[in-house]
Amino acid sequence: DAGVIQSPRHEVTEMGQEVTLRCKPISGHDYLFWYRQTMMRGLELLIYFNNNVPIDDSGMPEDRFSAKMPNASFSTLKIQPSEPRDSAVYFCASSALPPGALAKNIQYFGAGTRLSVL
Amino acid sequence: SQKIEQNSEALNIQEGKTATLTCNYTNYSPAYLQWYRQDPGRGPVFLLLIRENEKEKRKERLKVTFDTTLKQSLFHITASQPADSATYLCALVQYNFNKFYFGSGTKLNVKP
Repeated sequence: DAGVIQSPRHEVTEMGQEVTLRCKPISGHDYLFWYRQTMMRGLELLIYFNNNVPIDDSGMPEDRFSAKMPNASFSTLKIQPSEPRDSAVYFCASSALPPGALAKNIQYFGAGTRLSVL
Repeated sequence: SQKIEQNSEALNIQEGKTATLTCNYTNYSPAYLQWYRQDPGRGPVFLLLIRENEKEKRKERLKVTFDTTLKQSLFHITASQPADSATYLCALVQYNFNKFYFGSGTKLNVKP
């Protein structure tokens, strides 16, 4: 498997524009996670899905952010309208087990999308 | 919610020495703790997992300890090499919360 695939790798946009980040999880993984990483706040969980259904979106900063998972092999994170404070690296990760599983549970991360909002 | 603290200052050590990184947490004890490695421009990569009833885990040159009394995990790299230079993140999961909490990471620089 090619691992978790994210696109684009880099995105530069102007304030107010819509931004869409894409993710393809590892085949067979039922859990998909979106994270945001900044120097100030570290790696923050935004939302995660189980079998394409959003389970916990408590980390989504505000209504400008939305995430979808139309099928098991694709997810999007959309920011509309974007603001300079949204500049960060956004990671997608997938796993075969839920976070609270007692069995060994590993999250596999994509390479991330570096977003710059000017 | 959980608060996880890792030393934000970079750790600089000489090749061959043992690197020790610290992860402290507050509030409830986690079900387990994980350590990840992150290289520049890449996503975190899983290294080791330790459960709340385990004191120590080893994998090759890596060792993780877990002290639930101190609310602390230590991550050791013995015989460190320049290739070990990276940022190391700890992550914990609590029972019934079903989410990962990540620390901000500590950057390790191993000098030849």
